[in-house]
Amino acid sequence: DTGVSQDPRHKITKRGQNVTFRCDPISEHNRLYWYRQTLGQGPEFLTYFQNEAQLEKSRLLSDRFSAERPKGSFSTLEIQRTEQGDSAMYLCASSSAYEQYFGPGTRLTVT
Amino acid sequence: EDQVTQSPEALRLQEGESSSLNCSYTVSGLRGLFWYRQDPGKGPEFLFTLYSAGEEKEKERLKATLTKKESFLHITAPKPEDSATYLCAVFYNQGGKLIFGQGTELSVKP
Repeated sequence: DTGVSQDPRHKITKRGQNVTFRCDPISEHNRLYWYRQTLGQGPEFLTYFQNEAQLEKSRLLSDRFSAERPKGSFSTLEIQRTEQGDSAMYLCASSSAYEQYFGPGTRLTVT
Repeated sequence: EDQVTQSPEALRLQEGESSSLNCSYTVSGLRGLFWYRQDPGKGPEFLFTLYSAGEEKEKERLKATLTKKESFLHITAPKPEDSATYLCAVFYNQGGKLIFGQGTELSVKP
């Protein structure tokens, strides 16, 4: 399977804990994106990378959120001191041109 | 403020009953529009890209069209396996972020 992969698929954590998600893009894609989706809504943009450079961050991305793409390949998204409002599906996408291809997502539940 | 609105929010059809989904947008500097399909608990699956008014794309029972203010996804003779949430998204430039609508949840009954 050469699609976008994400790990873990599900994460349950207690409020105040830190969590980290991983995304592996399609191998030839140089752009990688993170989105967040809550129930009944479309995905909301968080941040994106071109190679290892983080080019844009949404105002939704508070200082508790940090994303990295150290070698221009996989990316990690860390949420520190999780809050119940962080519960959502976190989606990763990659592209080489216009079309963005999404992974299966990581569903985060904060209790 | 840039905005993408989809209607209806939910649509229930009988198998074989054709219909259309709408995506309207107020975005300055639009470069194009995507349609995605999303099944429950999964990531969006790419369907179409439309770049300019008047453009049309087709795939099986689906046809997407674009005007200067909105896009339509026409579903001809739908089957139960077409049941999903359909999302539209607009973009400003190559490689940039997408702005999504809230989606239309389509249910097709046999």
